[in-house]
Amino acid sequence: QQQVKQSPQSLIVQKGGISIINCAYENTAFDYFPWYQQFPGKGPALLIAIRPDVSEKKEGRFTISFNKSAKQFSLHIMDSQPGDSATYFCAASTEGFQKLVFGTGTRLLVSP
Amino acid sequence: KAGVTQTPRYLIKTRGQQVTLSCSPISGHRSVSWYQQTPGQGLQFLFEYFSETQRNKGNFPGRFSGRQFSNSRSEMNVSTLELGDSALYLCASSPGSRTEAFFGQGTRLTVV
Repeated sequence: QQQVKQSPQSLIVQKGGISIINCAYENTAFDYFPWYQQFPGKGPALLIAIRPDVSEKKEGRFTISFNKSAKQFSLHIMDSQPGDSATYFCAASTEGFQKLVFGTGTRLLVSP
Repeated sequence: KAGVTQTPRYLIKTRGQQVTLSCSPISGHRSVSWYQQTPGQGLQFLFEYFSETQRNKGNFPGRFSGRQFSNSRSEMNVSTLELGDSALYLCASSPGSRTEAFFGQGTRLTVV
């Protein structure tokens, strides 16, 4: 019940296209859903986060869509760029923000 | 503002030895969390410290321990190292409860 399932495992998108990564959870006590971006040799960097009282949140080219009834949330990267090529992790937490349960990651490659 | 600093960046240890990893959080941050990242298990929560007290603990054996000092710096210790402990160990800091977590670059531990 503590799992967060993430798909796809890998994704190839052409430059300028839309990248979509999906996550699903079981634990209805989760109340914070962040997305992290990780480049090789670096730690995860917070991209954008959402709480369940909001169905969508947009920051620049990054949008989180949240479906509370389906217990699913997704990350959309608009106008994807080669510099977006990285591994993306969804996560969820309860008990405050400090105990994050991570998805398995999606390796995104944006082709020029 | 300096980010989260983890030392050392790389470490090679022999089975059976013990190791201590260090994390200096962002100035003013009082919460420090530790995560283990491996290709097989992904990102897994180890424990969280806030004001020198352990607030949360993940499902890891007692060989994994940590502590936090009065200046919020944290250390984690792994005793009796096993080959399976080879991983990237990440530290994340937060100002306090219900706030975003910022990760360091990690310590790459290799057990031979």
